[in-house]
Amino acid sequence: DTGVSQDPRHKITKRGQNVTFRCDPISEHNRLYWYRQTLGQGPEFLTYFQNEAQLEKSRLLSDRFSAERPKGSFSTLEIQRTEQGDSAMYLCASSLGQGMEDTIYFGEGSWLTVV
Amino acid sequence: AQSVAQPEDQVNVAEGNPLTVKCTYSVSGNPYLFWYVQYPNRGLQFLLKYITGDNLVKGSYGFEAEFNKSQTSFHLKKPSALVSDSALYFCAVCPKGYQKVTFGTGTKLQVIP
Repeated sequence: DTGVSQDPRHKITKRGQNVTFRCDPISEHNRLYWYRQTLGQGPEFLTYFQNEAQLEKSRLLSDRFSAERPKGSFSTLEIQRTEQGDSAMYLCASSLGQGMEDTIYFGEGSWLTVV
Repeated sequence: AQSVAQPEDQVNVAEGNPLTVKCTYSVSGNPYLFWYVQYPNRGLQFLLKYITGDNLVKGSYGFEAEFNKSQTSFHLKKPSALVSDSALYFCAVCPKGYQKVTFGTGTKLQVIP
């Protein structure tokens, strides 16, 4: 078990470009979460999946953001037409999915810088 | 709506002294409460959680936290601080039966040798 894996760890992109982040959860974890963290703030919830179903989306997730988990394993988070305000660390997390008595484990995060 | 308050942006403590990082929360119904630690440019590492039962929860690296329902608090404690404990600590809350975990803004712990 290698933990939650995120790729790339760092991405610098020009404003207006599209970016995609990938997350590989801990094996056998049914739930997968995406959070966003900006400097000096705590992580903010974006969305979560139970297997392949996306069950909740935050209002922070504008139309330019889309997340998928097509086979209930890895997930991707795509940001279209990036803006400078999208610069943040995007955190992926996973849990077994046994109610809230299980623990949410985070990856190392993917840093996005929009220039 | 649920919320978490970490009233101290930074806590300084001498190595070997006890430490406390404060957290208060607001949530409807019974809460699930968590503490995570974050080292520079890293993700969050789980420390401990309160689900139900004993109000004193023991976690990783010698940390513990006390759930106080009447004061809606969940303070993180450690009897003897280490320099390696220096990091950013986040308290988080989730209503029972719900999946969205809300984090506080974090408290930077500085342990002085």
